Amino acid sequence: DVKVTQSSRYLVKRTGEKVFLECVQDMDHENMFWYRQDPGLGLRLIYFSYDVKMKEKGDIPEGYSVSREKKERFSLILESASTNQTSMYLCASSAYHLGTEAFFGQGTRLTVV
Amino acid sequence: AQTVTQSQPEMSVQEAETVTLSCTYDTSENNYYLFWYKQPPSRQMILVIRQEAYKQQNATENRFSVNFQKAAKSFSLKISDSQLGDTAMYFCAFMVHSGNTPLVFGKGTRLSVIA
Repeated sequence: DVKVTQSSRYLVKRTGEKVFLECVQDMDHENMFWYRQDPGLGLRLIYFSYDVKMKEKGDIPEGYSVSREKKERFSLILESASTNQTSMYLCASSAYHLGTEAFFGQGTRLTVV
Repeated sequence: AQTVTQSQPEMSVQEAETVTLSCTYDTSENNYYLFWYKQPPSRQMILVIRQEAYKQQNATENRFSVNFQKAAKSFSLKISDSQLGDTAMYFCAFMVHSGNTPLVFGKGTRLSVIA
């Protein structure tokens, strides 16, 4: 089975802290994605990566950065957490094949206080 | 840019009945893929069904089927014989015909199956 693992299921951080959300996939997928999920807004793309050290901005990259040093790992970084970044964060991966499905982690519910 | 619209924020259906979830999308692309994902209370997103735009035949997966109307840019999901385990958020998603593009999601429909 394809597995996408997010390092934390729940996380509470203080305003101004630097926050790392880690995601690891075990299927040698080329593509990895970070989405933010908020009620009534669906899933919005923050960043994605289609290769090691490559990254592309999504629809809402402000306040976030990413790192992909190894193919299996894609990290989302909140440089200085703010309360408006309280949300559910979903990581996904997919293979470089036309129309292939994306596989998702179980999400990290981040609360910034 | 592509957009996906799900006009029904919430729906409910009696167990064993049939329900249809609506999805429309906007794109200038001719080749693309459409998906329905399910997110139960466990939060794990699961693929329900996939449709290639170049295929006229509607996709089916057991109790789940789609009505794909390319000219109308419509992609609805029909769930037959609804079960309590179908209670979840359902997201419609779009992907252009390329190997490394992300999914674009709608805002979701929360479906409750009532015993």
